[in-house]
Amino acid sequence: KQEVTQIPAALSVPEGENLVLNCSFTDSAIYNLQWFRQDPGKGLTSLLLIQSSQREQTSGRLNASLDKSSGRSTLYIAASQPGDSATYLCAVMAVSGSARQLTFGSGTQLTVLP
Amino acid sequence: DAGVTQSPTHLIKTRGQQVTLRCSPKSGHDTVSWYQQALGQGPQFIFQYYEEEERQRGNFPDRFSGHQFPNYSSELNVNALLLGDSALYLCASRLWASSGYEQYFGPGTRLTVT
Repeated sequence: KQEVTQIPAALSVPEGENLVLNCSFTDSAIYNLQWFRQDPGKGLTSLLLIQSSQREQTSGRLNASLDKSSGRSTLYIAASQPGDSATYLCAVMAVSGSARQLTFGSGTQLTVLP
Repeated sequence: DAGVTQSPTHLIKTRGQQVTLRCSPKSGHDTVSWYQQALGQGPQFIFQYYEEEERQRGNFPDRFSGHQFPNYSSELNVNALLLGDSALYLCASRLWASSGYEQYFGPGTRLTVT
C-alpha cells in the first residue's frame, strides 16, 4: 500500500526566504507526482505535475524535483511572499489499476511572515 | 473554459440522514473521482466513475455510493451519516485517455454532521 509522507508538517519563514518542502513515498512504481496548493477551506490548485520519466518541472518561482528510485520529491519556492501562505500537498498517481487514483500526503502548512 | 464545479458549497446534516453531493467535470473531461478530506489530513480516494460505471473504489463502506450521468456529471451519496463523515468532499476530473492523467479539482463541498 502506497504511503506518502510530507515533512515538515508546518513551516514559518520570513518573507524573501527560499524554502524547500519534502515529500516521500514508499512505492516507487508511480505514474506521476503532483504538487498542489490548498488555501484554508478551499479546493486544490495544481502547481506542478512531474511524469515518472522526468526529473523536474519549473513554473515561475516554483521548482519541483523527483527521484523515483529513492521515493522522494522536493518543492523549492524561491523568494517567498506572504501570498504563498497555504497548505502544500504532494500526491502520487498509482501505476496499477485503471483509476489512476492519487495518494496524498498530509501536507505542509506554510506561513510566510511579512 | 469551465473548470470543475461542485454543489452545494456547504451542507449541515444530522446523524443518520442521507446526503447527495454534485459535481460537474471540467469541459471535455469524461472521468470523475471523489475524495474525502478530513480536517488536517490529505484527501483520500473514495471512488472513480467512467462511462457511468464505478471503475475503482477506495477503502470506504457501502454507505458511500455514486452515480455518473450521460453528460459526465456525477453525484456522491452518503447514507446513514456518522459524525466522522464530516469533511471536505472534493471532486476531480480528467480525460480517461489522456497521456498525462492530470486531474483537476473542484472547490469542494464542506459537509458537517451534527
